[in-house]
Amino acid sequence: EVQLLESGGGLVQPGGSLRLSCAASGFTFSSYGMSWVRQAPGKGLEWVSAISSSGTGTNYADSVKGRFTISRDNSRNTLYLHMNSLRADDTAVYYCAKDTIPATGGVFDIWGQGTVVTVSS
Amino acid sequence: DIQMTQSPSTLSASVGDRVTITCRASQSISSWLAWYQQKPGKAPKLLIYKASNLESGVPSRFSGSGSGTEFTLTISSLQPDDFATYYCQQYSIYWTFGQGTKVEIK
Repeated sequence: EVQLLESGGGLVQPGGSLRLSCAASGFTFSSYGMSWVRQAPGKGLEWVSAISSSGTGTNYADSVKGRFTISRDNSRNTLYLHMNSLRADDTAVYYCAKDTIPATGGVFDIWGQGTVVTVSS
Repeated sequence: DIQMTQSPSTLSASVGDRVTITCRASQSISSWLAWYQQKPGKAPKLLIYKASNLESGVPSRFSGSGSGTEFTLTISSLQPDDFATYYCQQYSIYWTFGQGTKVEIK
């Protein structure tokens, strides 16, 4: 079964850091681009970051550029999102999503169940 | 940045109704437009890609059309399982989602 499973969310103070993980199974992880998408409470979807299948190409939304870093370990079939200098408006459910192409730039055909990040003092 | 605007924000409909949701892009995105369905507490589900291509396993009552800056998602006969929030997404330049359209029971 094709599956994405996020972990690493939790409560963190403003200015703090967190690392999210997304474990992939059921497909050839190293063949596809991957993204993180977030959804603030009661709000819509916001794309956060993307990484190519090889890990050499990355993109970031302006709202997180310079604070978040996306990476992947194809030997472990795992995607990561390193989040620094967290702010209250980073509070959201964070989803990892599989792209339909090896680069980035396709649509997201598989999504994880999400992990909740709450930034609050 | 490309902005995506959906209308309406909320739509009240009954089972069996034909439902249409509109999505407009702030600049031309050719046919690089997808539609997703999201139910409360769940991840989004891909319905349509490249404006009019039905994702595998999605019922044929869903259809998409449009190109350039104007797009529509149509549900030909609304079913109980279709009450959800629908998002359009452009993937011409990075990715941007519309603000969502909630389809609720009339």
